[in-house]
Amino acid sequence: NAGVTQTPKFQVLKTGQSMTLQCAQDMNHNSMYWYRQDPGMGLRLIYYSASEGTTDKGEVPNGYNVSRLNKREFSLRLESAAPSQTSVYFCASSDVSGANVLTFGAGSRLTVL
Amino acid sequence: AQSVAQPEDQVNVAEGNPLTVKCTYSVSGNPYLFWYVQYPNRGLQFLLKYITGDNLVKGSYGFEAEFNKSQTSFHLKKPSALVSDSALYFCAPYNQGGKLIFGQGTELSVKP
Repeated sequence: NAGVTQTPKFQVLKTGQSMTLQCAQDMNHNSMYWYRQDPGMGLRLIYYSASEGTTDKGEVPNGYNVSRLNKREFSLRLESAAPSQTSVYFCASSDVSGANVLTFGAGSRLTVL
Repeated sequence: AQSVAQPEDQVNVAEGNPLTVKCTYSVSGNPYLFWYVQYPNRGLQFLLKYITGDNLVKGSYGFEAEFNKSQTSFHLKKPSALVSDSALYFCAPYNQGGKLIFGQGTELSVKP
């Protein structure tokens, strides 16, 4: 099983450019999440989708948009990238929202110059 | 406000010695508590969780964690550390809003 697949693994952007991070899971999970990881700050939730057709803001949603395209796919879009969005981004999924175990993707390292 | 604290940025242990990675939390209601591990250049992996019941929870790779309600702590432990245990460890309580809160992480370094 592939689990959670994120693309791209690495990306360099200039300030103001846009891009979309793609995430797909093959475990038939209902809930999907986007986190960012910064040194010394742990993981912070950007957006999540408890089920297909719903999305909600997390702790740090500003500057991002998401789309739950179908049950498998959950994309994260940066409309106008800023250097503060330089980070490692992780997509995760779980069977149901809440206290279930998260399965994480391998991460996408984004640098904004 | 709900929060989690991992007071040590780094823990250094000699191989074969016991290890403890500390976590304290502030979460309303009865907490669900998780530990995740991150190896270099990888995503996080689930280690163990406490939902209810026995305060000592056993997980993957020989790790265990002790839930202490009065001290609001959930420390990760292992009786005998391996070099391969070297990684970044995250404590993550589940808050009643339906989301995990991740600590800032503790880097565990096990030397031969």
